[in-house]
Amino acid sequence: QQQVRQSPQSLTVWEGETAILNCSYEDSTFDYFPWYHQFPGESPALLIAIRPVSNKKEDGRFTIFFNKREKKFSLHIADSQPGDSATYFCAASSNSGTYQRFGTGTKLQVVP
Amino acid sequence: GPKVLQIPSHQIIDMGQMVTLNCDPVSNHLYFYWYKQILGQQMEFLVNFYNGKVMEKSKLFKDQFSVERPDGSYFTLKIQPTALEDSAVYFCASSLAGQFYAEQFFGPGTRLTVL
Repeated sequence: QQQVRQSPQSLTVWEGETAILNCSYEDSTFDYFPWYHQFPGESPALLIAIRPVSNKKEDGRFTIFFNKREKKFSLHIADSQPGDSATYFCAASSNSGTYQRFGTGTKLQVVP
Repeated sequence: GPKVLQIPSHQIIDMGQMVTLNCDPVSNHLYFYWYKQILGQQMEFLVNFYNGKVMEKSKLFKDQFSVERPDGSYFTLKIQPTALEDSAVYFCASSLAGQFYAEQFFGPGTRLTVL
């Protein structure tokens, strides 16, 4: 059972555009939603995370939008740069446990 | 930033053999994790470990798997015996705290190939 769904599987945007990556989840006890990026041959690294005390979290060009009612959250990358090209994973975890469930990943390519 | 080290970076073994993957977590971290990533797919949680004990494990953490961290040395994942479907990249992670929102730092992974 896939508890965290992610789309699209791959995404290509032009440099300067906003890339939008989407995730949804099923378990209403999930209370922490991080996004990781992973460059080829490297380990995942935390990019930005949100807890649903708010609907939006910004960090520079990266913004998470969270919709608790629809159980959806998205990552917006504004002014996309070629260096943003990587695979992005969303994840979710519950306050009743410590382990994170990961989405299937979105491979983002930013074309100059 | 804090670094998690993993040894070896690659391991090739024959099916049925035993393998031990080693992780050197961030020095003051207390919680340790193993994840499995098959090429091109998402990471999947295997197990987490605190104070000498397994705290949680997923269905992927088969009976052939075991973890330990003897006397503060490497945090290890042992697979005995290995199977073809164990071929994957195994990532170790560590966190200072065990809360569900505690940031986990990942190592570079060990690519395991079972022939």
